[in-house]
Amino acid sequence: DAGVIQSPRHEVTEMGQEVTLRCKPISGHDYLFWYRQTMMRGLELLIYFNNNVPIDDSGMPEDRFSAKMPNASFSTLKIQPSEPRDSAVYFCASALNTIYFGEGSWLTVV
Amino acid sequence: GEDVEQSLFLSVREGDSSVINCTYTDSSSTYLYWYKQEPGAGLQLLTYIFSNMDMKQDQRLTVLLNKKDKHLSLRIADTQTGDSAIYFCAESQNTGFQKLVFGTGTRLLVSP
Repeated sequence: DAGVIQSPRHEVTEMGQEVTLRCKPISGHDYLFWYRQTMMRGLELLIYFNNNVPIDDSGMPEDRFSAKMPNASFSTLKIQPSEPRDSAVYFCASALNTIYFGEGSWLTVV
Repeated sequence: GEDVEQSLFLSVREGDSSVINCTYTDSSSTYLYWYKQEPGAGLQLLTYIFSNMDMKQDQRLTVLLNKKDKHLSLRIADTQTGDSAIYFCAESQNTGFQKLVFGTGTRLLVSP
């Protein structure tokens, strides 16, 4: 299996622009997670889905952030409008019994 | 709320043993995990332990759990330069991985 696939790997965007991060979970996994990693706050769980349904989005920082999972093989995390403080590494992970992480999307908002 | 703490940095020489420590506050933690993050990569699950266990060994890795003191450690025997990475401790409750709470991570530097 190719593992959890995230795109883009790196993105630099200007403040105010919309950012869309994409994730393809491992086939057969029924949980999908979005995490954010920063130096200041470490790893934070933003939201997770079970069978494509959002279960807990209490970690989503504010209304500028939204996540969708239209089907079992695809999820997006959208930031609109983006701000410099959103600069971070965003990890997608999927799980059946054990969590597997993607390589991350490195976002810089200038 | 839950809190997981780790020391930030550990430096060892190749061939020595490394011990990375972690403390957690949630007494209802059921599963405790160790993840490894190499530069520019995601997190790789190394091992995990159930709260009803005291020790788990997996090749060069030994996990010790002191539930009374809420202390978890990861010992890496015969540490190699390839073990240089950030190691995260994480805990979750009851139903497993859904609400993983991560520590701040310990950066392990292995020098030749």
